[in-house]
Amino acid sequence: DAGITQSPRYKITETGRQVTLMCHQTWSHSYMFWYRQDLGHGLRLIYYSAAADITDKGEVPDGYVVSRSKTENFPLTLESATRSQTSVYFCASSGNFAGNYGYTFGSGTRLTVV
Amino acid sequence: GESVGLHLPTLSVQEGDNSIINCAYSNSASDYFIWYKQESGKGPQFIIDIRSNMDKRQGQRVTVLLNKTVKHLSLQIAATQPGDSAVYFCAEGASGNTPLVFGKGTRLSVIA
Repeated sequence: DAGITQSPRYKITETGRQVTLMCHQTWSHSYMFWYRQDLGHGLRLIYYSAAADITDKGEVPDGYVVSRSKTENFPLTLESATRSQTSVYFCASSGNFAGNYGYTFGSGTRLTVV
Repeated sequence: GESVGLHLPTLSVQEGDNSIINCAYSNSASDYFIWYKQESGKGPQFIIDIRSNMDKRQGQRVTVLLNKTVKHLSLQIAATQPGDSAVYFCAEGASGNTPLVFGKGTRLSVIA
């Protein structure tokens, strides 16, 4: 998706390690979101941010930390990875909560914790 | 429709037929609804949206119907093509005050 990029695309890490997933958008969207996608659960919101230096918890925030020092970046950190955090992670951005044309999603990061 | 248990519901249709994918939403205060398409290995992509002051909206080959009385949303795809094979899910929002909430999705499989 042009304008919102996630890195890395794939990541394997060991239990207990810290790992950071990156998200960068070029539209100057105010809102950014992190979702995890697991079979049977769909997309679940981890954290979101309404602007630089403003972040809020979503449905499943435990074990994750976010920061937003710049509007265009919204990294997600797993401070001590657990196997239950094996998932596909999607970053999204929008001009507002509802979005005009919804949220724009990145291509995702597939994270495996072994 | 919404998934049950660990498996996505699957809709299989013949190429050229029409597809109807359903979604039940939970929040009676929701006033904005979106359908997304997600192809394998990709992020969700916007298809079409509808606001609660409408009950029908049409796009190119797609139509969204909204029934607020029973809190039901459907996506109709006309003349389904192999490229339509994907997971489709709905999202609901309430007056722009909270993040969108996503349904669990339905897998559409097109039989050539």
